[in-house]
Amino acid sequence: QVQLVASGGGVVQPGKSLRLSCAASEFTFRDYAMHWVRQAPGKGLEWVAVISYDGRTKYYADSVKGRFTISRDNSKNTLYLEMNSLGLEDTATYYCAKSPGYSITLYVDYWGQGTLVTVSS
Amino acid sequence: DIQMTQSPTSLSASVGDRITITCRASQGISTNLVWYQHKSGKVPKLLIYAASTLQSGVPSRFSGSGSGTEFTLTITSLQPEDVATYYCQKYNSAPPHTFGPGTKVDIK
Repeated sequence: QVQLVASGGGVVQPGKSLRLSCAASEFTFRDYAMHWVRQAPGKGLEWVAVISYDGRTKYYADSVKGRFTISRDNSKNTLYLEMNSLGLEDTATYYCAKSPGYSITLYVDYWGQGTLVTVSS
Repeated sequence: DIQMTQSPTSLSASVGDRITITCRASQGISTNLVWYQHKSGKVPKLLIYAASTLQSGVPSRFSGSGSGTEFTLTITSLQPEDVATYYCQKYNSAPPHTFGPGTKVDIK
């Protein structure tokens, strides 16, 4: 059973940075593209970023482009999301999610439990 | 970028009812569409991919159809455990992998 455990969320002031991590297990992490998806309180799902299986290709939502960086360490089976210049609009539960294949063009087939990021002064 | 819309925004139906949710894409996306179910307090769950293929383990009362710009998710006999928000999402082209705004389903 795919396991995705996200961590690193918390309360952060506007303009500050935060790094999320997602530990993957029970599947061959290096073979799959990975996503971050978020959900602001009372809002719908918003796709944030995707990274290819080898880390070479990355795409971002316009709302986070230039501020967020997705990365992965296949030797540690871990996905990351570095978030800079955080704004109130970034307050959300962030889900780490697995793609069914190596390509960045695919959807999500498994979701982690989410980590809450609250941007507040 | 391709935009996704859903209708209705919410619906209330009785146990055993047949319900249909519609998802529309602003440009043709062939059958590159998935449906997710998101229950309150839980993680989202993949229901259908490639517009009409049921993910393993998903009850057969769920079905999907459509291609191009218009898609539907149907629950043939609504059950209490189906209370959730349902999202469509396009894929298989350059990101962003846009979600629809969601349809909230509850029991009357």
